[in-house]
Order: sequence, then C-alpha cells, then structure tokens
Amino acid sequence: DADVTQTPRNRITKTGKRIMLECSQTKGHDRMYWYRQDPGLGLRLIYYSFDVKDINKGEISDGYSVSRQAQAKFSLSLESAIPNQTALYFCATSGAGGQNEQYFGPGTRLTVT
Amino acid sequence: GQSLEQPSEVTAVEGAIVQINCTYQTSGFYGLSWYQQHDGGAPTFLSYNALDGLEETGRFSSFLSRSDSYGYLLLQELQMKDSASYFCAVSRGNAGKSTFGDGTTLTVKP
Repeated sequence: DADVTQTPRNRITKTGKRIMLECSQTKGHDRMYWYRQDPGLGLRLIYYSFDVKDINKGEISDGYSVSRQAQAKFSLSLESAIPNQTALYFCATSGAGGQNEQYFGPGTRLTVT
Repeated sequence: GQSLEQPSEVTAVEGAIVQINCTYQTSGFYGLSWYQQHDGGAPTFLSYNALDGLEETGRFSSFLSRSDSYGYLLLQELQMKDSASYFCAVSRGNAGKSTFGDGTTLTVKP
C-alpha cells in the first residue's frame, strides 16, 4: 500500500465551486505539505504543517485553505475555484530533521472550467 | 527571497554521463536536495547535501559547494529509464520546507 495517498486523483469542476483535496499518510510523520505544480514549472508550496496544531502559509496560499484533522490527514480546500487554479496538486510528508526527505503522494489533477 | 536556477533541458545518450547544475540564492541555507519526477508522477527523493562535497548513491552522485551557492547532480551509465525531470530544492534552517527549482528535463537517447 502507498505511504501517501491523495483523493481524488482527477477532478473537473466549475468556477466558483468549493473543492476539497484530501491527503492521508501512513509514515507516521508529523510534517505535511501541499504543493502545486504547473506545466514546465517546479513545485510551489501552498501550505505546510509541522504538527496537528501548527499550520503555516507557503509561497502561494491565497485562494486556498487547509485543515490538519489528525497526524495522518491534511486536506486542502479551494473555497471558490477559479480557472488559474487548474494544476497538479501534490501532498508530501517528511520526518523531523535529517535529510528532510519528502515523500510525495501520486498527485491530484484539478481542472477548473 | 529565494531563487534557484537549473537548465531547462539536457539531452544525452545511453551509457553516457550527464551533470545537471543548480545555483541558488537564499538566506539561512540548510541543505540542497534532488528529486526525480517521471511525466507528472510523484517526485521521488534522490539525494541530499548539507555539507560541501560529493555524496554517492549508486549511479547518482550529488555535489555541493556552499561558498559558491552551487550544486550538481551527476548521473552515470545513463539508462533510458533515467529520462525524467530533475528538480533541485533548497531548505532553510531545519524547518523542513523546501523551495524547488523549475526542473531540468533529461532526455536519454539510444
């Protein structure tokens, strides 16, 4: 079984709709992240959380919100989706310190029409 | 702010050696990581350097020079399956979060 799972894997929605992307992990990590990737570009950090009570904005948090429901669950919401939020979204986890190796989920391909 | 630069594309032949460079500007530099991503799939961790020098893991090696704000990923004995995008990422402090470069698309030809 995958260590980091994301649901849904693909989603098409309309402008103005509220969307939630979910992430679960079985690695026992405290740190979780949400990234966005646009074609030909790197990963940009949306939000990150170092434990259940810790939520931090990343580079591009506007238009997004998150919820850390448990150590293993971190969800990303688009309150009112817009077309330029069409992208590939990745969730990741990491342990504390060390190499800061991040483990990524398979991604959610979101299209906003 | 932070910035990373890496070439957008590199092409090499099977069996060859290729080097992908990464230069960065950041405050509070902690380490440089490398990730591989196949065609929109999940990025996977390759290597990490916190100190100057070369780290070797099988066919892949990674180098860091903190004084030059520069690192590279060296791939030896290239195989077709190495065709992918490679991202460098800098982490600041022991904070766990990283800033990624835009990636280098490596194409390995027969």
